[in-house]
Amino acid sequence: EAQVTQNPRYLITVTGKKLTVTCSQNMNHEYMSWYRQDPGLGLRQIYYSMNVEVTDKGDVPEGYKVSRKEKRNFPLILESPSPNQTSLYFCASSLSGTGVSLPLHFGNGTRLTVT
Amino acid sequence: KQEVTQIPAALSVPEGENLVLNCSFTDSAIYNLQWFRQDPGKGLTSLLLIQSSQREQTSGRLNASLDKSSGRSTLYIAASQPGDSATYLCAVILNDMRFGAGTRLTVKP
Repeated sequence: EAQVTQNPRYLITVTGKKLTVTCSQNMNHEYMSWYRQDPGLGLRQIYYSMNVEVTDKGDVPEGYKVSRKEKRNFPLILESPSPNQTSLYFCASSLSGTGVSLPLHFGNGTRLTVT
Repeated sequence: KQEVTQIPAALSVPEGENLVLNCSFTDSAIYNLQWFRQDPGKGLTSLLLIQSSQREQTSGRLNASLDKSSGRSTLYIAASQPGDSATYLCAVILNDMRFGAGTRLTVKP
């Protein structure tokens, strides 16, 4: 089954403790992206990747890192999480690496709480 | 910078009603526009994609229209059902994808 898989689904952590949220897709998609969703603000893009070893900042990249060493995986790293990073995070992928092609496939989300 | 606005933020209707959700965007230079559905605690499911050269797309009881010149799109849901209750988001695409904050729809039996 074609899908985008995020782990974990729920995560509670403390300020400053490094964490990684994994994202994997099995559709051979070139484009992958991370979003955070906050009430009243919609989805905001954190980072995106057009292809392996190519990553770019989205609208809200501060406090996050990503890597794209393999086509299928695009982990989101929070080196020193802070409470303002408490949010619902989504990973997404699409076929084309030349900009965003559709449809965009979303994972089921990771709800992160930083205390 | 592209701004995407969805009005209303929430909508409650009785079952069977036809309804319209609105999406407006500030920059008309878009490649396409997509409507998504999001159920609580879940990811986004694509509903309809409208290419910039198209005026509308239909899928079952859903019809989405696009007016680039006025920066507007509408999602029309015919004969609404309780199973349509969800948050509906629009996203516009140029070089990246920008989302509205969504309209939370409740269809009451």
